[in-house]
Amino acid sequence: DTAVSQTPKYLVTQMGNDKSIKCEQNLGHDTMYWYKQDSKKFLKIMFSYNNKELIINETVPNRFSPKSPDKAHLNLHINSLELGDSAVYFCASSFKGLNTEAFFGQGTRLTVV
Amino acid sequence: DAKTTQPPSMDCAEGRAANLPCNHSTISGNEYVYWYRQIHSQGPQYIIHGLKNNETNEMASLIITEDRKSSTLILPHATLRDTAVYYCIVRAPYSGGGADGLTFGKGTHLIIQP
Repeated sequence: DTAVSQTPKYLVTQMGNDKSIKCEQNLGHDTMYWYKQDSKKFLKIMFSYNNKELIINETVPNRFSPKSPDKAHLNLHINSLELGDSAVYFCASSFKGLNTEAFFGQGTRLTVV
Repeated sequence: DAKTTQPPSMDCAEGRAANLPCNHSTISGNEYVYWYRQIHSQGPQYIIHGLKNNETNEMASLIITEDRKSSTLILPHATLRDTAVYYCIVRAPYSGGGADGLTFGKGTHLIIQP
């Protein structure tokens, strides 16, 4: 069983479209995250959700909106896609706290054309 | 968050111990040192973490200096599959009480040579 799974793995879409990336974890964690890795390979956190409440929003555009229907899922919705949104997006989960490890999904490669 | 400094790249021969250094001279007393790695085209993978004491698990050992200003990740018998980017991360408390994410730097690209 995959601990953190993301779908789709690859997503190619045109500018201006709206798309979603789904994430599910089966680890019983109470916190989920979305990270973005750009073409220069820098990994940056976008959102953190704990108990269905947004904890951090790292100044990402409001075209990006995380939605968590339950503790095991955190989906990423992106409106009006732009070329600069092309990146690999990683979902992760952990228990809340400093002394915990995070588990990452395999990533979704988004290409906006 | 305390900043970390790592060499951009390192080579190691297969079967030898790989020692990856990390400087975190501004670390605070309640901040943990974490190590993750990212193998090409995969998501980051947790390796090990510690606060003050040295730690060991099935993957690696973490040696933290007494003043906690630096640490070393040791892969005891490196294999070709250990080729990856290794990230040293210091986790700071967040006002939300620890539900913050990880702040990744540039990491060290470790290349295991056959």
